[in-house]
Amino acid sequence: DVKVTQSSRYLVKRTGEKVFLECVQDMDHENMFWYRQDPGLGLRLIYFSYDVKMKEKGDIPEGYSVSREKKERFSLILESASTNQTSMYLCASSPLGSSYNSPLHFGNGTRLTVT
Amino acid sequence: AQSVTQPDIHITVSEGASLELRCNYSYGATPYLFWYVQSPGQGLQLLLKYFSGDTLVQGIKGFEAEFKRSQSSFNLRKPSVHWSDAAEYFCAVGRFTGGGNKLTFGTGTQLKVEL
Repeated sequence: DVKVTQSSRYLVKRTGEKVFLECVQDMDHENMFWYRQDPGLGLRLIYFSYDVKMKEKGDIPEGYSVSREKKERFSLILESASTNQTSMYLCASSPLGSSYNSPLHFGNGTRLTVT
Repeated sequence: AQSVTQPDIHITVSEGASLELRCNYSYGATPYLFWYVQSPGQGLQLLLKYFSGDTLVQGIKGFEAEFKRSQSSFNLRKPSVHWSDAAEYFCAVGRFTGGGNKLTFGTGTQLKVEL
C-alpha cells in the first residue's frame, strides 16, 4: 500500500520564520504535489514536481518554494512565514502518467499555524 | 482553464437515506473526473473516477457517480448512507500536462449524517 508521510502533524511558527514542510513517499512515484486546504476554498495546488530537481508552479506559488533532491522526498519551504499562510498543507504523490491511470495518494496533512 | 463547482457547502442526511452530492465542471476537452473523500484528520482517499465508457461508474464504499456531458455534471450518489460516511467530499477534474498530471479540486461538500 502506498504511503505518503508528512513529517509533522501540527506546526506552530512565528511570522518571518523560515519553515520547512517535509513529505516522503515509499512507492517510487515520479510525481509529487503540495496543496493547501482552506475552508471554503478546497484544495489549491502550490507546486508540483514530476522528476528529481524538476518543479512547476501550481495555482498559488507566491510565498513558497520547493525542493526535490531525491525522488522520494519533496519539501515545501516558506521563506518568511506570514499569518496568511496558516493552513492545512497536503502532500500527494502519483506514478508517471495520466491523472486517470495514476490517481493521487495523499498524506494526512500538516496543520501549520503562523502567529 | 479547468474548474469545478460544488454548490453545496454542507449537507445533512439521516442514516439510511439516499445521498446525492453535486459537481459541475468546466473543461475544454473530455475531462478526467474524480471524487475524493476526506475523513476527519485524514488525507484524501479516491472514491471513484471517470474518463470514458459507461457514464455510471461504481466506486468504493457503495458510492457511484454519473457523468452527464450535456449538463457538465458528475454527481455522486449513494442509495443508503451510513453514519461512517460523514466526511468532506471533493470533486476534481484532471488533465495531463507534460510529464505529470494536474488536478483541480472543488471547494468540497461537508456531509453530516444524523442518527
